[in-house]
Amino acid sequence: AQSVTQLDSQVPVFEEAPVELRCNYSSSVSVYLFWYVQYPNQGLQLLLKYLSGSTLVKGINGFEAEFNKSQTSFHLRKPSVHISDTAEYFCAVSKGGSYIPTFGRGTSLIVHP
Amino acid sequence: KAGVTQTPRYLIKTRGQQVTLSCSPISGHRSVSWYQQTPGQGLQFLFEYFSETQRNKGNFPGRFSGRQFSNSRSEMNVSTLELGDSALYLCASSVMGQSNEKLFFGSGTQLSVL
Repeated sequence: AQSVTQLDSQVPVFEEAPVELRCNYSSSVSVYLFWYVQYPNQGLQLLLKYLSGSTLVKGINGFEAEFNKSQTSFHLRKPSVHISDTAEYFCAVSKGGSYIPTFGRGTSLIVHP
Repeated sequence: KAGVTQTPRYLIKTRGQQVTLSCSPISGHRSVSWYQQTPGQGLQFLFEYFSETQRNKGNFPGRFSGRQFSNSRSEMNVSTLELGDSALYLCASSVMGQSNEKLFFGSGTQLSVL
């Protein structure tokens, strides 16, 4: 079975600074990887996903993530954050043939002015 | 296109009662899945329905059940409520429920058990 570890439960950062949210996964087979964002009082929405091909994936709102197979990581980055990026971020993994995605426990990104 | 709609938005119940939550997926989506979100446990998968059949099930007791109708709308039922059932219940839909598909989430039903 696959598992997902989000190493930081909370990441505080100042506006316009860069940020990296870390995600590691474990699985014995090839996987699909996702990052979702949850704004207060809302459901989750997809930021980006990695299925295959280029290891650098670009998503919405200026976010990008890099798939590193040797380190089994899929870290999310943004070069310059805004106040509006304050939200909960979830990394998720699923494998081919099995629909059930496994979610990490989430990282709360707090952007200070 | 309308998004995933969950009703009600908030619900307050007492221990021992039962509750039914509703989810209307995006038009054309045949897969509906349910998640329980709590601060301590994060998102935990409850079950997934596809074409009126439960296709996948998470590790929850039998008090948690669901069903899907022919129009893909889904309901989730929790019987004999416990305090620990207090959570945000999220519904998500996708076209075919394939593992490489994007999930579309509703805003959730916040259940409080007193």
